[in-house]
Amino acid sequence: DAGVIQSPRHEVTEMGQEVTLRCKPISGHDYLFWYRQTMMRGLELLIYFNNNVPIDDSGMPEDRFSAKMPNASFSTLKIQPSEPRDSAVYFCASSPPNRGGEAFFGQGTRLTVV
Amino acid sequence: QKEVEQNSGPLSVPEGAIASLNCTYSDRGSQSFFWYRQYSGKSPELIMFIYSNGDKEDGRFTAQLNKASQYVSLLIRDSQPSDSATYLCAVNRNTNAGKSTFGDGTTLTVKP
Repeated sequence: DAGVIQSPRHEVTEMGQEVTLRCKPISGHDYLFWYRQTMMRGLELLIYFNNNVPIDDSGMPEDRFSAKMPNASFSTLKIQPSEPRDSAVYFCASSPPNRGGEAFFGQGTRLTVV
Repeated sequence: QKEVEQNSGPLSVPEGAIASLNCTYSDRGSQSFFWYRQYSGKSPELIMFIYSNGDKEDGRFTAQLNKASQYVSLLIRDSQPSDSATYLCAVNRNTNAGKSTFGDGTTLTVKP
């Protein structure tokens, strides 16, 4: 398997623009997580899905952030409008069933909002 | 108090020494415990997991868990420069799946 695939790897956008990050989890994994990592705040869980259903979105910072998982092989994280403080590395991770929660991370998307 | 706490470091050890990384957690209901390694500019990768009290060994790595003390540690024997990375401790309430809570990580440098 190719692992968790994220796109784009890098994104530079202007403040106020919409940003969409994409993730393809590992086939057969039934959990999908979106994390954000910054030097100041470390690795933060934004939202996670189980069998395509959002389970906990309490980490989503505000209404400008939204996430969807229309099917088992695809998820998006959207920021609209983007702000400079959204600059971070965004990771998608997936977990297989019955494995205690071990997560397999994608390569991440480095987002810079100028 | 953070749910998962780690010494931020940096921790520096000479090549060949034992590196000891520590983690404490606040949720007594935690069931699964993980150590991830993250090289600079890369994504976290799982290196160890432990569910039961005691020690679990895998090659040069040993994870230690003490649920009564709410403490989990990672020992790296015969440290190599390639072990230089940030090590993240993660804790999960479930044994099957679900979300994990991560610590902020400890940065380890192994000096040749």
